[in-house]
Amino acid sequence: QQQVKQSPQSLIVQKGGISIINCAYENTAFDYFPWYQQFPGKGPALLIAIRPDVSEKKEGRFTISFNKSAKQFSLHIMDSQPGDSATYFCAAFYGNNRLAFGKGNQVVVIP
Amino acid sequence: GAVVSQHPSWVICKSGTSVKIECRSLDFQATTMFWYRQFPKQSLMLMATSNEGSKATYEQGVEKDKFLINHASLTLSTLTVTSAHPEDSSFYICSARWSTPGRNTEAFFGQGTRLTVV
Repeated sequence: QQQVKQSPQSLIVQKGGISIINCAYENTAFDYFPWYQQFPGKGPALLIAIRPDVSEKKEGRFTISFNKSAKQFSLHIMDSQPGDSATYFCAAFYGNNRLAFGKGNQVVVIP
Repeated sequence: GAVVSQHPSWVICKSGTSVKIECRSLDFQATTMFWYRQFPKQSLMLMATSNEGSKATYEQGVEKDKFLINHASLTLSTLTVTSAHPEDSSFYICSARWSTPGRNTEAFFGQGTRLTVV
């Protein structure tokens, strides 16, 4: 079964702090790893993505760290803001453009 | 990024009626679209893969006669929930893949449709 395991399930962060969400996978056929941000009642929006031959990718306040040998990757949200409060899903692409999703992590940034 | 538009954003229907949800790729052509279902506080569950000009491929456990998918053009896929019942109430989301030469394929999602069957 295609699976991506995500932790923690929920996270509360003070404004200005760092939010860290972790994901792990087993299937070595996964070849691209995006993160999605979803607000209540909306569809997921692509946030940032990384290939397995790259160890880190940064876009603004969002950074993905990728550890291929450990089959783990994480999302770091620097200087977290209340507007970042959302559900974050890690995912992985495999055969024929299919996506395996993590279970999601609800991040709440308190002022 | 590419834009995927889904309509309607919400719909309430009576039990036994059918509801059609549209998914359009606005600025690119999508030979393949995906339909997901999401329950509250849960992840997205793939229902089916919609292929332009051919039959959709359904995931195990998804009733193809209940969830009719049509992908008549490169920019439009529709999901029709037939004879809807309260247990079909959910959040339905479509997705299209966008590829550019030399770059990984990305997935873009519609805004989602909240279906409530009463």
